[in-house]
Amino acid sequence: GAGVSQSPSNKVTEKGKDVELRCDPISGHTALYWYRQSLGQGLEFLIYFQGNSAPDKSGLPSDRFSAERTGGSVSTLTIQRTQQEDSAVYLCASSLTLLSYEQYFGPGTRLTVT
Amino acid sequence: DQQVKQNSPSLSVQEGRISILNCDYTNSMFDYFLWYKKYPAEGPTFLISISSIKDKNEDGRFTVFLNKSAKHLSLHIVPSQPGDSAVYFCAATTLEGGGADGLTFGKGTHLIIQP
Repeated sequence: GAGVSQSPSNKVTEKGKDVELRCDPISGHTALYWYRQSLGQGLEFLIYFQGNSAPDKSGLPSDRFSAERTGGSVSTLTIQRTQQEDSAVYLCASSLTLLSYEQYFGPGTRLTVT
Repeated sequence: DQQVKQNSPSLSVQEGRISILNCDYTNSMFDYFLWYKKYPAEGPTFLISISSIKDKNEDGRFTVFLNKSAKHLSLHIVPSQPGDSAVYFCAATTLEGGGADGLTFGKGTHLIIQP
């Protein structure tokens, strides 16, 4: 079946603009996760969804970041007033349930803020 | 403060030989560990995992060893093949967190298999 898909694959934006990143999880997966990978770093966990609910937003880097999930499926990560330090690859993953520790990753969105 | 450390940024191994990738962790609450493989421009792909109640888990050419007292795990690939050339990430989590803690990743080791 189809894996996790993300769009766009690449995004170049000017500092101060808002961007929206999209994630389509594997069908039937109830848990969804967002990570980012900055240059030379490991993956940094940002937020998870169980269904449409994100109980803990403390991992988001700043209040410019927000995420939502609708219909228990598609999720969007929005970054307002982008800064150069937001440049990174943003990865989405899903798992069958929150207790399924093996997460399946999408190809990521490479965000470049100029 | 890196809770999962992969101290070798890269590793070069001859085809057919054993590749050993190492990972250390500092958080004693971690009790479930995973290895992911990543090719350029693709997302990480799950390889193998191990729970802290075990010290070894094997899947084909891949074996993960866990030494809880040393807070160390390693991934062995035998025999190494050209398609194994990729970046390998070690990840850890707590079962008690029920997935809500996400996975904590190391920075990765770039494995290069030489013909």
